[in-house]
Amino acid sequence: EVVLTQSPGTLSLSPGERATLSCRASQSVSSSFLAWYQQKPGQAPRLLIYGASTRATGIPDRFSGSGSGTDFTLTISRLEPEDFAVYYCQQYGNSPKYTFGQGTKLEIK
Amino acid sequence: EVQLLESGGGLVQPGGSLRLSCAASGFTFTSYVMSWVRQAPGKGLEWVSGISGSGSNIYYADSVKGRFTISRDNSKSTLYLQMNGLRGEDTAVYYCAKARTNSWNVPFDNWGQGTLVTVSS
Repeated sequence: EVVLTQSPGTLSLSPGERATLSCRASQSVSSSFLAWYQQKPGQAPRLLIYGASTRATGIPDRFSGSGSGTDFTLTISRLEPEDFAVYYCQQYGNSPKYTFGQGTKLEIK
Repeated sequence: EVQLLESGGGLVQPGGSLRLSCAASGFTFTSYVMSWVRQAPGKGLEWVSGISGSGSNIYYADSVKGRFTISRDNSKSTLYLQMNGLRGEDTAVYYCAKARTNSWNVPFDNWGQGTLVTVSS
């Protein structure tokens, strides 16, 4: 099983700042089959990024993904109030044994 | 517009059974892999089970294998999860999730609102 470890657990920033979230895999993720999701309280997750760097439909360009192998990053260039949420990475290269990271909570400072 | 509407959650005693349903609309249901993903209260996401568009390929997480059964009725555009032998650790919100394509190596691009299953005496 591919274990994903996200850091930090909680990130406290202010609107307008840049956010950098990390996801590290226990083994190389095939063909960059790595996705990022955003989840707000009481809501279902929403797909942001797939293929490590491709934005999903309707996702603003302030969200970007990068990385390969075992190290991946989600960057939010300039935080908007609606971006404060929990973010999960997911690998789907070792499918169908999909695994998720434990999440990073992005909170307002 | 893709819509996924789960139902069937509730309170059940340990050892009991429950059947979840997910009614899909807004896309050609038979053309997509579908999965169930759960989230225990205050915890992260855990993939539970997936089924191919035709229903011929089915997979389970080790934590539910032998207790849960996934199925689909393409004539009704509905996904199911039969849960038997429920345990306290099965308590979670269960989400129905649609794959981006009829492939296993793709992320989930649409999710339902979830249905809460509580296992407690």
